[in-house]
Amino acid sequence: TQLLEQSPQFLSIQEGENLTVYCNSSSVFSSLQWYRQEPGEGPVLLVTVVTGGEVKKLKRLTFQFGDARKDSSLHITAAQPGDTGLYLCAGGRYGGATNKLIFGTGTLLAVQP
Amino acid sequence: NAGVTQTPKFRVLKTGQSMTLLCAQDMNHEYMYWYRQDPGMGLRLIHYSVGEGTTAKGEVPDGYNVSRLKKQNFLLGLESAAPSQTSVYFCASTYQGKSYEQYFGPGTRLTVT
Repeated sequence: TQLLEQSPQFLSIQEGENLTVYCNSSSVFSSLQWYRQEPGEGPVLLVTVVTGGEVKKLKRLTFQFGDARKDSSLHITAAQPGDTGLYLCAGGRYGGATNKLIFGTGTLLAVQP
Repeated sequence: NAGVTQTPKFRVLKTGQSMTLLCAQDMNHEYMYWYRQDPGMGLRLIHYSVGEGTTAKGEVPDGYNVSRLKKQNFLLGLESAAPSQTSVYFCASTYQGKSYEQYFGPGTRLTVT
């Protein structure tokens, strides 16, 4: 059962355009992370959000955690070819002592020069 | 500081053969994880470990075994490989505690024919 659905699955845009990627679930998470993965490499953490409604900015990237802690969005302003990659959201659950994450289905972004 | 390393990078197996994937981390992390990544499915947790000498099943453990004899190493074994195990395998590690940030290795691409 996939608990985190991302949309869109694929996105091809021109340099300079804006875009938003969504990460949705019916489950509540204690934290939500976004990773970016480039071809042939492992995912690399971009940001962690832990408070409902929290907004974090990382240069041209804006991340938001939903008020109910069930969803998140990633907005990229003026996309550049260097933003190309697979974007993965990942949710952390309350309780336990394992730090396990549940990963979303992924959004493959291609930014054309 | 090498971070998380994985060997081998690529491997081709015939159905029924066995192999072991090695993950090593030099960050003194308590927790380690093995994932598989398949198109459109994000990352799925196979097995994980919360400390030396301990292992536990994740979301898709069937057909795999693991061992954590040393804190810095986490081994993933396939006793009798099947074509359904063709995938890219990632190892990750993280600190004990509330932080869910995971550090990933570069991956192993496995093909079973």
